[in-house]
Amino acid sequence: QKEVEQDPGPLSVPEGAIVSLNCTYSNSAFQYFMWYRQYSRKGPELLMYTYSSGNKEDGRFTAQVDKSSKYISLFIRDSQPSDSATYLCAMSMEYGNKLVFGAGTILRVKS
Amino acid sequence: EAGVTQSPTHLIKTRGQQVTLRCSPISGHTSVYWYQQALGLGLQFLLWYDEGEERNRGNFPPRFSGRQFPNYSSELNVNALELEDSALYLCASSLVAGLNEQFFGPGTRLTVL
Repeated sequence: QKEVEQDPGPLSVPEGAIVSLNCTYSNSAFQYFMWYRQYSRKGPELLMYTYSSGNKEDGRFTAQVDKSSKYISLFIRDSQPSDSATYLCAMSMEYGNKLVFGAGTILRVKS
Repeated sequence: EAGVTQSPTHLIKTRGQQVTLRCSPISGHTSVYWYQQALGLGLQFLLWYDEGEERNRGNFPPRFSGRQFPNYSSELNVNALELEDSALYLCASSLVAGLNEQFFGPGTRLTVL
């Protein structure tokens, strides 16, 4: 079993839809949770960074962490074609510094 | 502010050869991380350098090695290349050690024939 599980998709939605992306994990030592966006043939871009459980909002993006369920989510409101990319969840143990990534979910937003 | 830069952009090598990849962190960042993104395997942690020292290493053979220079830039060396080393090699940096916000460069795409 992988430490971090993420459905690879692809997830296809119409423009303007609310997108929900999720990851589950098995290691309860993970404390820091991140979401990255990666366009084709580019490096990952940090979107959201959260510590422990709770919600964090930044513009159209909301990240949720539920440590009791070992489940994290990223919501994208009013999705745009420019949001089409691969979304990677990543997590790290306190002071561990190594990021453990999910496989990434391919998102396609159709205009 | 300039982001993480990597060179070269692309490389083609043959089995058994050696390769050196380079990374310059964001100005002011002291920690540099290397990851491998191979098709079907996802992003995997390779190495972490901070203040010139290797701090952590992923589950990769010793032919993967690197170093960090006094200006915090870094090199990744891969010896005795194998076909399965074909991947996108990504460098990331963070402001200080222990801070988990890592910012990635565009990567170097290595093809081993």
